[in-house]
Amino acid sequence: DVQMTQSPSNLAASPGESVSINCKASKSISKYLAWYQQKPGKANKLLIYSGSTLQSGTPSRFSGSGSGTDFTLTIRNLEPEDFGLYYCQQHNEYPPTFGSGTKLEIK
Amino acid sequence: EVQLVESGGGLVQPGRSMKLSCAASGFTFSDYYMAWVRQAPKKGLEWVASISYEGSSTYYGDSVKGRFTISRDNAKSTLYLQMNSLRSEDTATYYCARHGVKRRPYYYFDYWGQGVMVTVSS
Repeated sequence: DVQMTQSPSNLAASPGESVSINCKASKSISKYLAWYQQKPGKANKLLIYSGSTLQSGTPSRFSGSGSGTDFTLTIRNLEPEDFGLYYCQQHNEYPPTFGSGTKLEIK
Repeated sequence: EVQLVESGGGLVQPGRSMKLSCAASGFTFSDYYMAWVRQAPKKGLEWVASISYEGSSTYYGDSVKGRFTISRDNAKSTLYLQMNSLRSEDTATYYCARHGVKRRPYYYFDYWGQGVMVTVSS
């Protein structure tokens, strides 16, 4: 199985700042990486798939980059609603595997 | 609006069985692969199983293979997960999720339910 290593585990930032979350695959997954947001009491939300394609409804302040084994989720101009947990997931091969998550908190 | 609503969770003893359901609405259920993904308390997400849009093909994670069975009833727009020989390590919130591309097994998930808790304990 492809192992996904996500960093950092925790991140604190203020509204208006920009942050980056990294995800590293144990082998090449081409461009096939998804990012999800998880918040208490809400359904998990797909933000980005295929590395950089924004899911319909994802604000343009979110962007994804990378290919092969190294990927980054960048959130520019943080809004209060952006705080929560973020997970990466490879969708290049079976079985799909997730990173361990990054908790984005308000500083 | 796409909605996925899970039900059937609760407390169950080790070694016993439980069946989860996921009622889908707001889209043509029979056009999409569907999946179950779980999350143990304070842990990350783990894909459990997927099923093809017509129900003929099923896929399982190693940790549940041989114990869990995914199925669907397209006439009722409902997804199921039959869980047998439950273990304490199966304790988790179980999410129903839709694969992201119509009639293709692309393994990302564009809609999720809010989840149902399953606790395996004596």
